[in-house]
Amino acid sequence: DIQMTQSPSSLSASVGDRVTVTCRASQSIDNYLNWYQLKPGKAPKLLIFAASSLQSGVPSRFSGSGSGTDFTLSISGLQPEDFATYFCQQSYSTPHLTFGGGTKVEIK
Amino acid sequence: QVQLQESGPGLVKPSQALSLTCTVSGGSISSSEYYWTWIRQLPGKGLDWIGFIYYSGSTDYNPSLKSRVTLSIDTSKNQFSLKLSSVTAADTAIYYCARFVIFGVGWVDNWGQGTLVTVSS
Repeated sequence: DIQMTQSPSSLSASVGDRVTVTCRASQSIDNYLNWYQLKPGKAPKLLIFAASSLQSGVPSRFSGSGSGTDFTLSISGLQPEDFATYFCQQSYSTPHLTFGGGTKVEIK
Repeated sequence: QVQLQESGPGLVKPSQALSLTCTVSGGSISSSEYYWTWIRQLPGKGLDWIGFIYYSGSTDYNPSLKSRVTLSIDTSKNQFSLKLSSVTAADTAIYYCARFVIFGVGWVDNWGQGTLVTVSS
């Protein structure tokens, strides 16, 4: 199985900050990497697919980069509605998907 | 815009079966463009992929759950379902149904809100 390691597991930030979350795959997955946002009681939301493609309707302050084994999700200019938990997910081994452990972004 | 909604008991006794249904609205479950999937979030932990079902009825399961999981699909009702047998407290989680796009790298583009299932006597 492909293991996905996310870091940090949590972080504290202020509105307006730039935030970066990293995700590392246990083997090369090319660009088969997606990012999601989870909030309690709400449907999870796709942010980025294929490592760097912004999902329609997602604000441009979200961006993704990387290829192979190392990937990043960046939020430039953190907004109050961005405090949430973020997960990476590899689809290289579709249909067997695996997710990172999650990064909780909290208010400083 | 397609919407997915999970339904089923929120409390299941140990050793019994957990059964959930996902109703899809705003789009056809019979599309060849998607897998229909279940994903769960264990308390304080990450996300676990449970399995996929295609409109034809073909399935694929997480090997760690394969012996206890059955997915089914009812195209006439635009629903698909999950059955997890012999549950224990370790199966307590938020269960999500979702749609996986079979295109390019593949991704989950629509999720239900999730339903909390607690396993307890």
